[in-house]
Amino acid sequence: GPKVLQIPSHQIIDMGQMVTLNCDPVSNHLYFYWYKQILGQQMEFLVNFYNGKVMEKSKLFKDQFSVERPDGSYFTLKIQPTALEDSAVYFCASSSGQGGATGQLYFGEGSKLTVL
Amino acid sequence: AQRVTQVQPTGSSQWGEEVTLDCSYETSEYFYRIFWYRQLFSGEMVFLIYQPSFDTQNQRSGRYSVVFQKSFKSISLVISASQPEDSGTYFCALSELYSNTNKVVFGTGTRLQVLP
Repeated sequence: GPKVLQIPSHQIIDMGQMVTLNCDPVSNHLYFYWYKQILGQQMEFLVNFYNGKVMEKSKLFKDQFSVERPDGSYFTLKIQPTALEDSAVYFCASSSGQGGATGQLYFGEGSKLTVL
Repeated sequence: AQRVTQVQPTGSSQWGEEVTLDCSYETSEYFYRIFWYRQLFSGEMVFLIYQPSFDTQNQRSGRYSVVFQKSFKSISLVISASQPEDSGTYFCALSELYSNTNKVVFGTGTRLQVLP
């Protein structure tokens, strides 16, 4: 089936450094999402993105977070500067939107971020 | 506001048994979709089944079916003839069909173990 690719699969960085998580969504999908998951628990909505703009962001999407998809390339989540509480697995997802067959999300395999 | 609740943090069954996982939700919209996903131990999110709010018929897909009680804002996932390979964390998710933002909100998940 359609695949969402995430790079890197694992990143370890020191607190205060910048990190960029990359997502290659399913081609022809229009909506892109980032979710945060800690220790295999709740999949928490961070932000979603459509037509070059943030559609909605949650309280977890701090000022240090930003997203973009320059020129239709990777959909990125940047955290600058990172904090210890940013350690988590970040999942990217994409969908064709409500007009699609089911509107389901297709997920990547996650990027595990460890902040020391 | 969208909210999804899964009150069973864990569950277990024996091989061959039918398993029911519960989910309740809050929405002020009339048109919405409920999705069920399974997260494997690797972290991969697998789409299982979805129920559109405007369809009164309970959806089925292979060994998965749902019991949709729209008036109670409740939907249960039923797994027939459970197998050890069905072990994992099951997430219920809500998407409002005509939302301005296309946000998808997940519950806290139910970790299921199917014993051989």
